[in-house]
Amino acid sequence: DARVTQTPRHKVTEMGQEVTMRCQPILGHNTVFWYRQTMMQGLELLAYFRNRAPLDDSGMPKDRFSAEMPDATLATLKIQPSEPRDSAVYFCASGLVVLGSFGQGTRLTVV
Amino acid sequence: SQELEQSPQSLIVQEGKNLTINCTSSKTLYGLYWYKQKYGEGLIFLMMLQKGGEEKSHEKITAKLDEKKQQSSLHITASQPSHAGIYLCGADRGGSEKLVFGKGTKLTVNP
Repeated sequence: DARVTQTPRHKVTEMGQEVTMRCQPILGHNTVFWYRQTMMQGLELLAYFRNRAPLDDSGMPKDRFSAEMPDATLATLKIQPSEPRDSAVYFCASGLVVLGSFGQGTRLTVV
Repeated sequence: SQELEQSPQSLIVQEGKNLTINCTSSKTLYGLYWYKQKYGEGLIFLMMLQKGGEEKSHEKITAKLDEKKQQSSLHITASQPSHAGIYLCGADRGGSEKLVFGKGTKLTVNP
């Protein structure tokens, strides 16, 4: 049963530290999305890629966040430096053109 | 203000009861997606509606799209504890490939 895999599932870090979240999309899916979920804002799109090229990262704070796809099997979301307000669940999703399957998320806590 | 408003925000029902969740958009709907989320997990795709008047069913869950009202409803018949979770609607803004999500409706089904 194909699924999107995210690591780590949980991450607790101190303010100012770098955080890297990883996502393995479903094989064959050419579109990868990064979403952030908080109680206050709900699900927000941070960035998405098509065929490994970034199409839109307007939802992402550029000064501290960066998203990349080094290859078709790996997407990364990096926060440097992390801040307490970044605490949230970060989801990766993949699909063929549109949103298909979600990973189980990385729960990030910045203290 | 939120582009997609879901109502109610939370719902508690007795097992066996029917229920309806609504999703109303402040902008034109080109496609409407319904997802279910259990605590600590990713979103599970339920169904997608694209045409006005379209109605789809999956097991005991039925969703309808009213394009004129820019609204979709999700109806669960004879609810079961397994239906419990957070139901989210996502809207396709037309060719943008990005989904905007509502904040979700938390459903509790008491045995």
